[in-house]
Amino acid sequence: DQQVKQNSPSLSVQEGRISILNCDYTNSMFDYFLWYKKYPAEGPTFLISISSIKDKNEDGRFTVFLNKSAKHLSLHIVPSQPGDSAVYFCAAIPGGYSGAGSYQLTFGKGTKLSVIP
Amino acid sequence: KAGVTQTPRYLIKTRGQQVTLSCSPISGHRSVSWYQQTPGQGLQFLFEYFSETQRNKGNFPGRFSGRQFSNSRSEMNVSTLELGDSALYLCASSFPSEKLFFGSGTQLSVL
Repeated sequence: DQQVKQNSPSLSVQEGRISILNCDYTNSMFDYFLWYKKYPAEGPTFLISISSIKDKNEDGRFTVFLNKSAKHLSLHIVPSQPGDSAVYFCAAIPGGYSGAGSYQLTFGKGTKLSVIP
Repeated sequence: KAGVTQTPRYLIKTRGQQVTLSCSPISGHRSVSWYQQTPGQGLQFLFEYFSETQRNKGNFPGRFSGRQFSNSRSEMNVSTLELGDSALYLCASSFPSEKLFFGSGTQLSVL
């Protein structure tokens, strides 16, 4: 049973436009969410995160929105650049973790973003 | 600061063999986690170590094991390899915190 779902395996966007990547989760115990970006032959790289006490977090061109009632989050990239072409993974951590806790991330299967010049 | 280092980058084994993968975390990071990435299942959590103790384990058979040394370096071992074990194995380190830093992975092919 997949607890974190990224229903779009791929997405193509024109350079300069907005990219919106979506993620749904089923486990109501999740209360911290992260987005990772992965290039071929490299490990995932942390991009941005959001705690369940917030509904939005922004970092430069990247914004993550969280809708707890819908168990849905989305990553917006504005403007999209060709260098953003990569696989994006959504991940979640259950609540109850603390500063020295054990962080077990549950990942979605990823969305491959292609930004067309 | 050097990143997470995984060795080897590529491995080819045959069914029934065993394999050991190595991970050196970022200096100062005490938590090391292992994940398996396959096209069908995505990234799945294997286990997490902190101060040489396994604190958490994912839903994998006992053929998958690991350990962590006093310098925080970690190894994972897979015994009696099966074809389905072919995957990218990723190691991640953290201080610990929720932000994991991943290595480039070891691509294991089981023939």
